[in-house]
Amino acid sequence: GDSVTQMEGPVTLSEEAFLTINCTYTATGYPSLFWYVQYPGEGLQLLLKATKADDKGSNKGFEATYRKETTSFHLEKGSVQVSDSAVYFCALTANTGGFKTIFGAGTRLFVKA
Amino acid sequence: EPEVTQTPSHQVTQMGQEVILRCVPISNHLYFYWYRQILGQKVEFLVSFYNNEISEKSEIFDDQFSVERPDGSNFTLKIRSTKLEDSAMYFCASKTLGGQGEYEQYFGPGTRLTVT
Repeated sequence: GDSVTQMEGPVTLSEEAFLTINCTYTATGYPSLFWYVQYPGEGLQLLLKATKADDKGSNKGFEATYRKETTSFHLEKGSVQVSDSAVYFCALTANTGGFKTIFGAGTRLFVKA
Repeated sequence: EPEVTQTPSHQVTQMGQEVILRCVPISNHLYFYWYRQILGQKVEFLVSFYNNEISEKSEIFDDQFSVERPDGSNFTLKIRSTKLEDSAMYFCASKTLGGQGEYEQYFGPGTRLTVT
């Protein structure tokens, strides 16, 4: 079945460091890909999305490119801030059945001042 | 901007009791979902609902769970006899019919269920 694998955390960075969180997926058909962010004690917020191969999603300085050839959707940010500390979930929604969303395990990011 | 709402934000119940979690999806959406997240773990799909019936469900969604759209606005998740392991954050989501590639779901803020 469909699945999402993302790098284990936690990831600890200093402020202004470069961030990469790796994400790869397995899916039949042509899924849409997403990154969600969850701040402590809060719900899921959509960070960015891409709906087809070579699309780049971007928001708040974060970006990710839908790579069909490597089945990847890595999250990057050039300069992280303390306020970026959160858990990041990579996810896919495939065009099968009820269009359910499959989430990765989540990567916790800590940014130190 | 339209949003998915959920009530209550926190529900505490005793083991063996029935609970109903409520959601109001975005008004013109046609697909409805429940997901759960056990503390510190990943978000897991429970069930999808379309055209007044379940379109897909996971292994987690056993006979203890049921969903209903009792009127034109609410979407509920019922757990008949709660277990300790049902303690989790439950997220409701909805999606429009959409065209090719329009698979984005809109998530509610969640209901934290604590079973004691």
